[in-house]
Amino acid sequence: GAGVSQSPSNKVTEKGKDVELRCDPISGHTALYWYRQSLGQGLEFLIYFQGNSAPDKSGLPSDRFSAERTGGSVSTLTIQRTQQEDSAVYLCASSAERRGTDTQYFGPGTRLTVL
Amino acid sequence: AQSVAQPEDQVNVAEGNPLTVKCTYSVSGNPYLFWYVQYPNRGLQFLLKYITGDNLVKGSYGFEAEFNKSQTSFHLKKPSALVSDSALYFCAVREINQGGKLIFGQGTELSVKP
Repeated sequence: GAGVSQSPSNKVTEKGKDVELRCDPISGHTALYWYRQSLGQGLEFLIYFQGNSAPDKSGLPSDRFSAERTGGSVSTLTIQRTQQEDSAVYLCASSAERRGTDTQYFGPGTRLTVL
Repeated sequence: AQSVAQPEDQVNVAEGNPLTVKCTYSVSGNPYLFWYVQYPNRGLQFLLKYITGDNLVKGSYGFEAEFNKSQTSFHLKKPSALVSDSALYFCAVREINQGGKLIFGQGTELSVKP
């Protein structure tokens, strides 16, 4: 079946602009995660959704970052007033969460470059 | 707090030789451990996981990992390396609470030469 998809694959923006990144999880997966991969910080957790609610937002680096999930499916990560340090690859993952040990499956990522 | 360490930034292996990519962890309670692989400009691909049971876990592409509780290690192994195994490998531990986010090691670059 189809895996996790993300769009766009690449995004170049100017400092100060807002960007939206989209994640489409595997059909039926109730849990959705956003991570960020950057050279200096490695792989960092950003936010976790269970259904449409976000019980763990502890990884969001500032209030410029927000995310939502609608219909228990697609999620959008929004970065307002982008800064150069926001440049990174943003990865989305989903899992079935039938049990707490379910595997997270990752999308191909969105490479964000802030000029 | 839970953490994972991958002590080697890079591992170099000749094709056909066995390979080991090291991972150690620190957790409170039972560890849930994962290995992922990342090829250039791609997302993370799941290789294998340890939840409970046998200490030797077998996964995709001929990889296996050995869970060692006394040494708090979860090393990734393959008996005979292929050039196509060259990639970035991540070890991760799953948070038991707060929805189960993954905490990753810093990654190990595996280079397999012909």
